[in-house]
Amino acid sequence: AQRVTQPEKLLSVFKGAPVELKCNYSYSGSPELFWYVQYSRQRLQLLLRHISRESIKGFTADLNKGETSFHLKKPFAQEEDSAMYYCALLYSGGGADGLTFGKGTHLIIQP
Amino acid sequence: ETGVTQSPTHLIKTRGQQVTLRCSSQSGHNTVSWYQQALGQGPQFIFQYYREEENGRGNFPPRFSGLQFPNYSSELNVNALELDDSALYLCASSSLTRDTQYFGPGTRLTVL
Repeated sequence: AQRVTQPEKLLSVFKGAPVELKCNYSYSGSPELFWYVQYSRQRLQLLLRHISRESIKGFTADLNKGETSFHLKKPFAQEEDSAMYYCALLYSGGGADGLTFGKGTHLIIQP
Repeated sequence: ETGVTQSPTHLIKTRGQQVTLRCSSQSGHNTVSWYQQALGQGPQFIFQYYREEENGRGNFPPRFSGLQFPNYSSELNVNALELDDSALYLCASSSLTRDTQYFGPGTRLTVL
């Protein structure tokens, strides 16, 4: 069965420091991976999708099939980056295309 | 463009009761997926509807059922509620089954 692991429940960094949120996955098929973000009192929203290879709000993520990872990075953290971040894997099973999410990492950017 | 909406925002039920949650998909989207998010966990896939048919489901029992209507809005029904059903229920819509999913604000269900 597919699985997404986010090893850090909480990550605290200072403003201006680099950020890396870790995500590892296990999946027998061809992975399609996403990062979703949830700011305080807002809905879950897409941050980026690996196939689009876009940089959103300064964040990037590279799919590493050898290490089965999709870590999210930003070179200089900003206070508005404080939020809950979820890594998700799109899988096809039983006809449906559902997302499997990790448990999330709470990112806190300290001033 | 109207985003995904869900109703009600929150509700409280007692064990054994039945509940219906509603979702309106984003304009132009024909696929709706439902997720359950327990406290401190990531969302878990319940099932997906595509063109009014259930397209597949995750590891949830049959007492979780749904519908999708011709306008692509959707309902999630849960029968015989259990305490562990207390969670945030999220609806997400997409233009195709494998396209990016856009989430609604969720319905917070508390089962007493």
